[in-house]
Amino acid sequence: GAGVSQSPSNKVTEKGKDVELRCDPISGHTALYWYRQSLGQGLEFLIYFQGNSAPDKSGLPSDRFSAERTGESVSTLTIQRTQQEDSAVYLCASSLGATLGTDTQYFGPGTRLTVL
Amino acid sequence: AQSVTQLDSHVSVSEGTPVLLRCNYSSSYSPSLFWYVQHPNKGLQLLLKYTSAATLVKGINGFEAEFKKSETSFHLTKPSAHMSDAAEYFCVVSFSGYSTLTFGKGTMLLVSP
Repeated sequence: GAGVSQSPSNKVTEKGKDVELRCDPISGHTALYWYRQSLGQGLEFLIYFQGNSAPDKSGLPSDRFSAERTGESVSTLTIQRTQQEDSAVYLCASSLGATLGTDTQYFGPGTRLTVL
Repeated sequence: AQSVTQLDSHVSVSEGTPVLLRCNYSSSYSPSLFWYVQHPNKGLQLLLKYTSAATLVKGINGFEAEFKKSETSFHLTKPSAHMSDAAEYFCVVSFSGYSTLTFGKGTMLLVSP
């Protein structure tokens, strides 16, 4: 079956602009996660969605970052007023959500964001 | 607090020789541990995971890892490296009931002919 897909694969934007990144999880996966991968910081957790529960936003670095998910489908990560330090690869993952913390997370190919 | 330390940022081996990628973790509770691999310009792929069952875990592509609680280690091994194994490897820790995965900094495996 299809894996996790993300779009766009690459995004170049100017400082101060807003960007939206999209994630399509594996069908039937109730849990969805966003991560950021950058040279200096490695892989960082950003936000987690599980079904209709309130999302875990504990990893979002600032209030310029937000994410939405409609039910158990597509999620969008929005970065407002982008800064150069936002340049990174943004990874999305999904899992069955049956056992939080031990579920296998399946990752998408990522969106490479470059802020000029 | 939980943390993961990958002891080597780069490991170089020759094709056909054994691979050892080292990982130590720190946690107050029984963790789940994972190894993921990332090939250039590709997403992360799960190699194997430990979730409190057998301490020796076998994964895909001939990789295995052993959970050693006394040493707080979860080293990844493979008896014989293949050129296609060249990639970046991440050791990851999490806990049941918590959403956060904590990633190590990664180890780049280089395989020479």
